[in-house]
Amino acid sequence: GAGVSQSPSNKVTEKGKDVELRCDPISGHTALYWYRQRLGQGLEFLIYFQGNSAPDKSGLPSDRFSAERTGESVSTLTIQRTQQEDSAVYLCASSLAGGVALREQFFGPGTRLTVL
Amino acid sequence: AQRVTQPEKLLSVFKGAPVELKCNYSYSGSPELFWYVQYSRQRLQLLLRHISRESIKGFTADLNKGETSFHLKKPFAQEEDSAMYYCALLYNFNKFYFGSGTKLNVKP
Repeated sequence: GAGVSQSPSNKVTEKGKDVELRCDPISGHTALYWYRQRLGQGLEFLIYFQGNSAPDKSGLPSDRFSAERTGESVSTLTIQRTQQEDSAVYLCASSLAGGVALREQFFGPGTRLTVL
Repeated sequence: AQRVTQPEKLLSVFKGAPVELKCNYSYSGSPELFWYVQYSRQRLQLLLRHISRESIKGFTADLNKGETSFHLKKPFAQEEDSAMYYCALLYNFNKFYFGSGTKLNVKP
């Protein structure tokens, strides 16, 4: 594959429903990040996966948010009981591990989530 | 706590004019800083990183630890430089803190 892919590209849901967002990183990239970008704001770190290590969940805003990653491949971000303030673009990025020189993040196109 | 500030939401310049996008950071450790760019309808992508001391598309950025700044500069802006620019700080070895971004508009 050419790069990081995300699905769906757009998701409209009703308040209170659960949503699942998917990210396929670049093959061989052991590091995977999820970010949230609200309108007019910067990228907000959510969670970080590195190989088989325990994920860094320190950026998850509430217990309604969770994420999983299967080995070093696909990751899913799940938001339960969605609220209107969850409306944002959710970006996934992957990178090689190692020194800073390798830490270029490759971003997916994002999933635009709208909670009505 | 770590923080990245980009004070300008929008910067408009004429083609051929110099441009400087400001970035200030706050971090108690040794900073590693990056500039990412997002062109219209494209993905966010790395522009340059301070550790490489590189010039990409005519852009340079110098880390000034005294002023805690990492401003992005280009002597002669081109219309194709119009995009969103994000300054990012790598901290705790594996996490990135992004600024809120500056939209650069280069007018013909």
